[in-house]
Amino acid sequence: EAQVTQNPRYLITVTGKKLTVTCSQNMNHEYMSWYRQDPGLGLRQIYYSMNVEVTDKGDVPEGYKVSRKEKRNFPLILESPSPNQTSLYFCASSLNGIPGAGELFFGEGSRLTVL
Amino acid sequence: AQRVTQPEKLLSVFKGAPVELKCNYSYSGSPELFWYVQYSRQRLQLLLRHISRESIKGFTADLNKGETSFHLKKPFAQEEDSAMYYCALSFIQGAQKLVFGQGTRLTINP
Repeated sequence: EAQVTQNPRYLITVTGKKLTVTCSQNMNHEYMSWYRQDPGLGLRQIYYSMNVEVTDKGDVPEGYKVSRKEKRNFPLILESPSPNQTSLYFCASSLNGIPGAGELFFGEGSRLTVL
Repeated sequence: AQRVTQPEKLLSVFKGAPVELKCNYSYSGSPELFWYVQYSRQRLQLLLRHISRESIKGFTADLNKGETSFHLKKPFAQEEDSAMYYCALSFIQGAQKLVFGQGTRLTINP
């Protein structure tokens, strides 16, 4: 089944403990992106990647890192999580490297709580 | 700055009544606009895009450049339309970008 897979789906951690949320897509998509969803703020882009080894900041990149070493994977890294990073995170991908030219396919979301 | 505004966080209508979810955007160029929907326990997914000019699940959305709006409409709401709806704007700023509005939670009452 063509899809975007995120892990873990739920995580509770403590301030400062490094964590990684993985994202993998099996559709050979060039474009991948991370969003966070917060009440009243909607979806805000954290980082995106137009292709392998090409990444760029979105609107709210502070406190996050990403890498794109392979086309299918786009992990989100929180080096030193803080409580304000408690949120619902979504990974998404699209085919042609142009998010507006086609459909974005989303993962199921990862709910992160930082204590 | 490019922005998408959905003025209603919550919208509640009765089954069979017309529905209109408002979306306004701020962009001086030629916009590409989308509506995404998230049903309960499902992934966020594309509902429709203005360039396709199609009706999906009875929903339509017309781009009004004069009013910079892209409102989502359905003449007769159904209970299965209850969901979170996001309007999104695609534009070029260096690279191609896609920004979302804050979302509107639509509840259809029986």
